[in-house]
Amino acid sequence: DTEVTQTPKHLVMGMTNKKSLKCEQHMGHRAMYWYKQKAKKPPELMFVYSYEKLSINESVPSRFSPECPNSSLLNLHLHALQPEDSALYLCASSQGEGRQWDYGYTFGSGTRLTVV
Amino acid sequence: DQQVKQNSPSLSVQEGRISILNCDYTNSMFDYFLWYKKYPAEGPTFLISISSIKDKNEDGRFTVFLNKSAKHLSLHIVPSQPGDSAVYFCAASARAYGNKLVFGAGTILRVKS
Repeated sequence: DTEVTQTPKHLVMGMTNKKSLKCEQHMGHRAMYWYKQKAKKPPELMFVYSYEKLSINESVPSRFSPECPNSSLLNLHLHALQPEDSALYLCASSQGEGRQWDYGYTFGSGTRLTVV
Repeated sequence: DQQVKQNSPSLSVQEGRISILNCDYTNSMFDYFLWYKKYPAEGPTFLISISSIKDKNEDGRFTVFLNKSAKHLSLHIVPSQPGDSAVYFCAASARAYGNKLVFGAGTILRVKS
């Protein structure tokens, strides 16, 4: 299995809703990431988990709450989002801690989130 | 301040010809560079990378060139094929930043048959 699987593919939620995005990989990668990508913009890093511990939080608002229940799963819990949070949310994974860049990140297909 | 810049939003090339995608960076601490390709409705996929100790890396039809003094890298695709039509992202990392990647805005490549 050489994929990162993200669910759901599309999500529409109201500003008072609570929802979660899920990400799963079975490649034995020990670093996992959440990126946010707005239209015609580059992916922007939100969070990095390394060996199931949060290692980087790019000053993301608390309405986004990441969780790494085990080495294969990464969740992003959403609560009280704003319409401007509508974007493509990408999960990625890579080997180990530090940089092992032979093959870069492996990205999932993303969740297209619309906040209404 | 965008540290990785892809100044050409789009590029159109005839099938069989060379495609050259360019990327500039401003942070001299960057020491590893990657190119990703993205099709609609899919996540980015890794294409090729280069370390700052090299000035060229080749993998089949894809070659990445790095000019450290100019803080510039380019991706050459020869020969270009219609299936290469996608968005291409340049990304950079620095040892001091751990495993964080900084992406450029992307260039849309269209290969015409």
